[in-house]
Amino acid sequence: EVQLVESGGGLVQPGGSLRLSCAASGFTFSSYSMNWVRQAPGKGLEWVSYISSSSSTIYYADSVKGRFTISRDNAKNSLYLQMNSLRAEDTAVYYCAREITILFDPWGQGTLVTVSS
Amino acid sequence: SYVLTQPPSVSVAPGQTARITCGGNNIGSKSVHWYQQKPGQAPVLVVYDDSDRPSGIPERFSGSNSGNTATLTISRVEAGDEADYYCQVWDSSSDHYVFGTGTKVTVL
Repeated sequence: EVQLVESGGGLVQPGGSLRLSCAASGFTFSSYSMNWVRQAPGKGLEWVSYISSSSSTIYYADSVKGRFTISRDNAKNSLYLQMNSLRAEDTAVYYCAREITILFDPWGQGTLVTVSS
Repeated sequence: SYVLTQPPSVSVAPGQTARITCGGNNIGSKSVHWYQQKPGQAPVLVVYDDSDRPSGIPERFSGSNSGNTATLTISRVEAGDEADYYCQVWDSSSDHYVFGTGTKVTVL
């Protein structure tokens, strides 16, 4: 069974940092591109970042570019999102999602990040 | 940046048909994917590449895409179809993924 499990969310002060992780199982992780997508409370889905299978290609949404860094460790079947200079508007549930030719399937259960003083 | 617009809500009686639109500039030239999200759960892919269904998704879910509008159609709506639905495309001009604004489907 394909499974994605996020971790690392929590409460952080504005300007602080947090590192999210996504553990993948049930498929050949190194063969797939991966993404982070977030959802603010009561709001819609917002794509955050993309990383290709070999990490050679990376994209970011304009709202996080320069503050967030996506990475992966294929030996550990893990995806990461380093979030710096966090703002209140970064408060959201963060999902990791496997990419299959420009679509996302499946998604993890999400981890909540709350930016507040 | 590319924008996808969906109606905020759609209401439908059980057994009837729900149609959810996703508007975007020349969206007919893109592949559109649709996700269902129930409260407290992660999104689930229900239609991909405009009109194909993943395994396990009922035939009641179908899609179409032409011109400036893509449509997700749910036939013979059931109470369990009550959820938020999002369209999604890849915008090659910006190397960004784009989600629609989302539509809440309420079963009366």
